[in-house]
Amino acid sequence: NAGVTQTPKFRVLKTGQSMTLLCAQDMNHEYMYWYRQDPGMGLRLIHYSVGEGTTAKGEVPDGYNVSRLKKQNFLLGLESAAPSQTSVYFCASHENTGELFFGEGSRLTVL
Amino acid sequence: GQSLEQPSEVTAVEGAIVQINCTYQTSGFYGLSWYQQHDGGAPTFLSYNALDGLEETGRFSSFLSRSDSYGYLLLQELQMKDSASYFCAVTEGYGQNFVFGPGTRLSVLP
Repeated sequence: NAGVTQTPKFRVLKTGQSMTLLCAQDMNHEYMYWYRQDPGMGLRLIHYSVGEGTTAKGEVPDGYNVSRLKKQNFLLGLESAAPSQTSVYFCASHENTGELFFGEGSRLTVL
Repeated sequence: GQSLEQPSEVTAVEGAIVQINCTYQTSGFYGLSWYQQHDGGAPTFLSYNALDGLEETGRFSSFLSRSDSYGYLLLQELQMKDSASYFCAVTEGYGQNFVFGPGTRLSVLP
């Protein structure tokens, strides 16, 4: 049982490039989330989804887009990367309980 | 809006007991959870309180007072491996949204 899997785990981009982070969960969870974490700080919610085909903005959505075409996948896109988007990105899921299941994280550097 | 407050750092010795407090201001409160994160790792779930009172899970306990908008995580019999960051998180909107606190860095000394 893999739980929550994020790909890629590491990526270096140049300013202005685009990329997509993929999150896949095999627990049949309805709720999925994308967070970013900057050094020494907590997790800030970017976007989330309460079910297949739905998305909603979180605390820091600007510069990101998301899609949830399949229940098990939640994609995070950066259309034009900026150095301020250098961060560690975590995907998480849950099934209406207090327990969030996190992926291992994706470390993104924008030069 | 929402806001959560935690102490930034706590230091204790092996075998001791430490309490990490969390106060919150939020609308649509649903529950309070706690997560542990080691350096370079992902957050992992420790405990969840939806109702007032104490929840015990092994060496870790968590407490919630909804009327005081306050909770704490209690770690007993501290071990070196407990050195990590601890985050409280408020669940809002019938379990849809999780808002995290800034985190408390716990250092356990020998």
